[in-house]
Amino acid sequence: NAGVTQTPKFHILKIGQSMTLQCTQDMNHNYMYWYRQDPGMGLKLIYYSVGAGITDKGEVPNGYNVSRSTTEDFPLRLELAAPSQTSVYFCASLTGSEQFFGPGTRLTVL
Amino acid sequence: TQLLEQSPQFLSIQEGENLTVYCNSSSVFSSLQWYRQEPGEGPVLLVTVVTGGEVKKLKRLTFQFGDARKDSSLHITAAQPGDTGLYLCAGETSSASKIIFGSGTRLSIRP
Repeated sequence: NAGVTQTPKFHILKIGQSMTLQCTQDMNHNYMYWYRQDPGMGLKLIYYSVGAGITDKGEVPNGYNVSRSTTEDFPLRLELAAPSQTSVYFCASLTGSEQFFGPGTRLTVL
Repeated sequence: TQLLEQSPQFLSIQEGENLTVYCNSSSVFSSLQWYRQEPGEGPVLLVTVVTGGEVKKLKRLTFQFGDARKDSSLHITAAQPGDTGLYLCAGETSSASKIIFGSGTRLSIRP
């Protein structure tokens, strides 16, 4: 099993541009999550999903969108990127009470 | 709004000393996890506590879940330089496994 994979690892985006961060898990987990982590801080929940076709807002959803058309994939869409969205983005899936995290995407918006 | 507050935010101590990190909320959680994160990597689970008053030990680390399931603590005995890292608590709400994280405690152990 590859676990949770995220692409890209790094990206620089211009203000106003859009992009999609990809997240895939091969563990057949129903629950998936997107977090952002600013330098030296904890993780903030952006969106989460309890299964294919179901998504819900977390703590900081503004400026982001998600979809969950399959169990495996949970992409995060940034529309009209802003400098405040510069952060490291982590995707995770859940089994029981344990989350498995991807390696993260470091995004810079200039 | 559910918040998890960790304290202290930063802690720098000498090797061999003991320390305690706290994770507090006004909300009740169905479970609480502690993670450790290294620079450039995702968090890695240390322990999950589920029952109010539960105590779990992992070598020199002792984790406790408050009786009301609103708070937790992490105690490290005889800290080692290898314990250095960012420690995060995370609470699972009762609704649809929404998991939120605390602000983190950055621990530095000096040799």
